[in-house]
Amino acid sequence: KAGVTQTPRYLIKTRGQQVTLSCSPISGHRSVSWYQQTPGQGLQFLFEYFSETQRNKGNFPGRFSGRQFSNSRSEMNVSTLELGDSALYLCASSAVGDTYEQYFGPGTRLTVT
Amino acid sequence: GESVGLHLPTLSVQEGDNSIINCAYSNSASDYFIWYKQESGKGPQFIIDIRSNMDKRQGQRVTVLLNKTVKHLSLQIAATQPGDSAVYFCAENKYNQGGKLIFGQGTELSVKP
Repeated sequence: KAGVTQTPRYLIKTRGQQVTLSCSPISGHRSVSWYQQTPGQGLQFLFEYFSETQRNKGNFPGRFSGRQFSNSRSEMNVSTLELGDSALYLCASSAVGDTYEQYFGPGTRLTVT
Repeated sequence: GESVGLHLPTLSVQEGDNSIINCAYSNSASDYFIWYKQESGKGPQFIIDIRSNMDKRQGQRVTVLLNKTVKHLSLQIAATQPGDSAVYFCAENKYNQGGKLIFGQGTELSVKP
């Protein structure tokens, strides 16, 4: 079974621009969660989507948004990029069974200059 | 507030020795805990999880211990191998928060040949 895939793997953007990241979950998984990883803050939860609905949201500004499509693929968008948005953005999928075991993709490395 | 913390940021062990990675948590309402391994350039990889109604769980070469009295979680790796070198994160989850994981800062395990 193919793992979680994320595109693109690397991205360089300028302050003020916007960016869209994509995540394809493991086949059959219906939950997709997004995390931001930085050296200073570690891994922080952004939001979770299940059946095209945002089920949980972390403590990030409204510039961070996401959506999920009917095939469970998910995108996250960051508008008006700031230097502090430079991070590794990780997507994780889960079958939403009993243990919420999450499988992570390799991440998208975003650099904002 | 909620937090999952790690006692030591780095751990160095000799190949073949057992490793113990510790984690403290502050929220006694968490329902289950997970250990992830992250190698350089990759996303976190699920290792093992444990529900809050258990105190021990074993996997292949790994054992997780949960001490709810002192809010402490540990990961034991038997016969540590060079391939075990990575950053290890503990995370907690509450069933009523879906896929939201709260991660600790991580411990970097270095295995000396």
